Amino acid sequence: GESVGLHLPTLSVQEGDNSIINCAYSNSASDYFIWYKQESGKGPQFIIDIRSNMDKRQGQRVTVLLNKTVKHLSLQIAATQPGDSAVYFCAELGGTGGGNKLTFGTGTQLKVEL
Amino acid sequence: NAGVTQTPKFQVLKTGQSMTLQCAQDMNHNSMYWYRQDPGMGLRLIYYSASEGTTDKGEVPNGYNVSRLNKREFSLRLESAAPSQTSVYFCASSSGLQLGAFFGQGTRLTVV
Repeated sequence: GESVGLHLPTLSVQEGDNSIINCAYSNSASDYFIWYKQESGKGPQFIIDIRSNMDKRQGQRVTVLLNKTVKHLSLQIAATQPGDSAVYFCAELGGTGGGNKLTFGTGTQLKVEL
Repeated sequence: NAGVTQTPKFQVLKTGQSMTLQCAQDMNHNSMYWYRQDPGMGLRLIYYSASEGTTDKGEVPNGYNVSRLNKREFSLRLESAAPSQTSVYFCASSSGLQLGAFFGQGTRLTVV
């Protein structure tokens, strides 16, 4: 069936470096994508979103890039800080018969080394 | 403003027991969701409700039932719990204007 998945299960970066977390999706009909951050023992927290008619969106220290040609989504975190250590999920909304259905990928563990 | 509230936070059930997980949101959101998250895994959608009065199956609905009691509340029921249902359950809500869903803190359920 349709799925959203991630390339890298674990990513280690040095404090102050930039982080790039990748996500591949297979449902070309999805029209909205979201990145979430989940800290240990907590629920996912919304970070940034992007619609399918855009290819880039920037927030505070974060940028999401969408490449519909290869069905690829990425989250860039600038000047990574220890507080960024968490699991990051991409999610897609909509798609074939999806409507309001929000589907998550597997997740990437980001570890920030001091 | 509490956001999304789930009860209970922790629960241990014996195989075959039933229980209902409660979820309420105070953001006037139309859509509500129930997910389960197993260790080291992503979130899998169990059921969702696009609006009051409607519910739809997600990826893993077997063994669960839901009720959208009103716009605020969306409950998840396990009629006969099985060890395979041991997981952390998250409720979420979203609106049509801000599609990013807000999540509760989770219910950690263990079935022995």
